[in-house]
Amino acid sequence: EEQVLESGGGLVQPGGSLRLSCTASGFTFRNYAMSWVRQAPGKGLEWVSGIFGSGGSTFYADSMKGRFTVSRDNSKNTLYLQMNSLRAEDSAVYYCAKHTHQIVYYGMDVWGQGTTVTVSS
Amino acid sequence: DIQMTQSPSSLSASIGDRVNITCRASQSISNYLNWYQQRPGKAPKLLIHAASNLQSGVPSRFSGSGSGTDFTLTISSLQLEDFATYYCQKTYTTPLTFGGGTKVEIK
Repeated sequence: EEQVLESGGGLVQPGGSLRLSCTASGFTFRNYAMSWVRQAPGKGLEWVSGIFGSGGSTFYADSMKGRFTVSRDNSKNTLYLQMNSLRAEDSAVYYCAKHTHQIVYYGMDVWGQGTTVTVSS
Repeated sequence: DIQMTQSPSSLSASIGDRVNITCRASQSISNYLNWYQQRPGKAPKLLIHAASNLQSGVPSRFSGSGSGTDFTLTISSLQLEDFATYYCQKTYTTPLTFGGGTKVEIK
């Protein structure tokens, strides 16, 4: 069974940093693009960042550029999201999701259960 | 950036009803449009990819249509388990923007 599992969420102060991880199993990780999607309490889905299966190309939503960095270690079947300069509005459940192709221009068919990030003093 | 507008934002319907949810892109996105279902407290689930392709394992009462700027998700006969929030998402270019969501509630 194809699965992804997020970890690393928690409580962080404004201006702080956090690194999320997403461990994949049940599929050949390097063959698929991955994305991070977040959902603030009571709000809709917001795409955060994506990365090609090769790791050669990365993409970000405008509000995350320069603060967030996505990366992957295909030898460890793991996706990462380094989040710096965190703001209260970054508080959300962060989902890791697998795309159906090597590149991000297709749907996401496997989702984790999410990890909660709370930015508060 | 291309904006995605879903309508309605919510609707009330009865079991067995036919339901249509629309998604409009601010410029053409060909067929790079996906639909997701999200039940409360759960992760989203891919229903339709590339505008009209039913994801494996999804019931055939779900269908998608459209291309260019206008897209529709149709549930042909609403079932109890279909009461959820539905999102469209464009993957034509980054950012991979989601629509605002449509909450389907029981009438």
